[in-house]
Amino acid sequence: KQEVTQIPAALSVPEGENLVLNCSFTDSAIYNLQWFRQDPGKGLTSLLLIQSSQREQTSGRLNASLDKSSGRSTLYIAASQPGDSATYLCAVKGGSEKLVFGKGTKLTVNP
Amino acid sequence: EPEVTQTPSHQVTQMGQEVILRCVPISNHLYFYWYRQILGQKVEFLVSFYNNEISEKSEIFDDQFSVERPDGSNFTLKIRSTKLEDSAMYFCASSDSRGGTETQYFGPGTRLLVL
Repeated sequence: KQEVTQIPAALSVPEGENLVLNCSFTDSAIYNLQWFRQDPGKGLTSLLLIQSSQREQTSGRLNASLDKSSGRSTLYIAASQPGDSATYLCAVKGGSEKLVFGKGTKLTVNP
Repeated sequence: EPEVTQTPSHQVTQMGQEVILRCVPISNHLYFYWYRQILGQKVEFLVSFYNNEISEKSEIFDDQFSVERPDGSNFTLKIRSTKLEDSAMYFCASSDSRGGTETQYFGPGTRLLVL
């Protein structure tokens, strides 16, 4: 059974800092991995999707990497801003239709 | 930009009552999903739907739950007899899933409170 873990559970940084969020998964047989952003009480906004054959994806200040063999992904946020404050969720898709989610990392960027 | 929409945004119901949560997926998408998130917990998969039938369901999706695509645009989740533990945020998602490689796009959610 796939398990997804995200460390740390919470992170507080000053504005402008570069930061890394971590995601690990137990079963390396995945099709893709998605990173989402969730604002309090809101829905999930897809940030990046990495296919199993890819090593990384970039969108603006965000860069996600995938090391499938070791069951790890990282989300790198450059030059963080207060507007980046949110919970970041990692989810993997294996041989079925469902996404399996981690519990998320709550990020606070302080002005 | 196309988006998934859900109604209502909030619903309060009494235990034992039936509720229907509604979703309008992105128009050219083929796969539809329901997930839920109990407060403070992980987002959990409930069911996937393709070609007018359930393609996969989780252990949570028991006989009290059902899904339907009543017309060409709506996708609904019905909970027949709600329980206190059904209180959660329910998310609808859709994807144009070819071979499992596509992004799932989520709606804003319906917050269900069962009293």
